[in-house]
Amino acid sequence: GNSVTQMEGPVTLSEEAFLTINCTYTATGYPSLFWYVQYPGEGLQLLLKATKADDKGSNKGFEATYRKETTSFHLEKGSVQVSDSAVYFCALSDPVGANSKLTFGKGITLSVRP
Amino acid sequence: GAVVSQHPSWVICKSGTSVKIECRSLDFQATTMFWYRQFPKQSLMLMATSNEGSKATYEQGVEKDKFLINHASLTLSTLTVTSAHPEDSSFYICSAREPGRNYNSPLHFGNGTRLTVT
Repeated sequence: GNSVTQMEGPVTLSEEAFLTINCTYTATGYPSLFWYVQYPGEGLQLLLKATKADDKGSNKGFEATYRKETTSFHLEKGSVQVSDSAVYFCALSDPVGANSKLTFGKGITLSVRP
Repeated sequence: GAVVSQHPSWVICKSGTSVKIECRSLDFQATTMFWYRQFPKQSLMLMATSNEGSKATYEQGVEKDKFLINHASLTLSTLTVTSAHPEDSSFYICSAREPGRNYNSPLHFGNGTRLTVT
């Protein structure tokens, strides 16, 4: 079955530090890949996505590249801000099967210190 | 953009009572909605897929009689936790995809409902 594995957290960084959050996946087909973010007290929001191999998703300074050869979709940001403190979820959507449900990783909490 | 509204945002109930959670798509019609459960420091686990006008599809291990799902209209799905017990305390989140969109498109999430059973 499908699965998403994220690195263990939590992660604490100083403002302007470089961020990498690892994500690898297992899927039967050719999935689309997503990063969702959950800010404190809010619901999940789409951060970025990539729908095929070598695609790069980007938003708000965050980037992730769909690497089929390593089955990875690592999230990066060159300079984090305090406002980036949130929980980050990697997810995949497999075209095989009805309704195309999302499979999530465990999520990782990022805290950015001023 | 597409908005999914969930109500209530939090609820406290006594053991043995039932609680209903509503999920509405505000500016689009959703033939399919998804209900997730999130445990502390864990991922979102899909509970069931709610289909307008037909029975919900439950994931393995989810009790159908415990978690009743009704999708009576194109903009409303409800999850009723029946005879709630403390172990049902959790964060429940609904989501929907805009009509005509496939697996490449993201889901839109409600803000979740924090259920506490005392």
